[in-house]
Amino acid sequence: GNSVTQMEGPVTLSEEAFLTINCTYTATGYPSLFWYVQYPGEGLQLLLKATKADDKGSNKGFEATYRKETTSFHLEKGSVQVSDSAVYFCALENSGGSNYKLTFGKGTLLTVNP
Amino acid sequence: EAGVTQSPTHLIKTRGQQATLRCSPISGHTSVYWYQQALGLGLQFLLWYDEGEERNRGNFPPRFSGRQFPNYSSELNVNALELEDSALYLCASSTGLGQPQHFGDGTRLSIL
Repeated sequence: GNSVTQMEGPVTLSEEAFLTINCTYTATGYPSLFWYVQYPGEGLQLLLKATKADDKGSNKGFEATYRKETTSFHLEKGSVQVSDSAVYFCALENSGGSNYKLTFGKGTLLTVNP
Repeated sequence: EAGVTQSPTHLIKTRGQQATLRCSPISGHTSVYWYQQALGLGLQFLLWYDEGEERNRGNFPPRFSGRQFPNYSSELNVNALELEDSALYLCASSTGLGQPQHFGDGTRLSIL
């Protein structure tokens, strides 16, 4: 079945540091890939997505590129801010009709210190 | 535009009781999804409803059930509650298959 593996946290960075959160996946076919963010006490928000190989999703300074050859979708940001502190989830969407669902990784807690 | 709303925010129950969680999707969204976010386990897909029908179900026992009403709102029912059911239950909605899911803030269910 489909699965998503993302780096375990927590990740602690200083403001303006470079961020990478690794995500790899196992899936049949050509799934769409997502990064969601969960701020404290809130639900998940879609951060970015990519629907096919070599697509780059980007939003709020975050980027991730769909790499089919390495089955990866790593999240990066060049300069993090304190307000980026949250839990980040990598997810894949299988488009298998009635079997449609999102499969999430376990989440990575990011803390950015001033 | 109002987002996905869930109620109650918190729910405290004891073992063996039954819990009902509610979700109102974004206006115009016909699909509703339920997820369980238990500590250390990430988000696990529970149920997907579309146009009033259950379309897909995750790997959960039958005591987890739900329904979708004609106005597309949804209920999640958990019977015979067990301690390990303690979790944040998230609802999401979308306009249909393959469309972005928008999440509510969740209901935190605590089993004592």
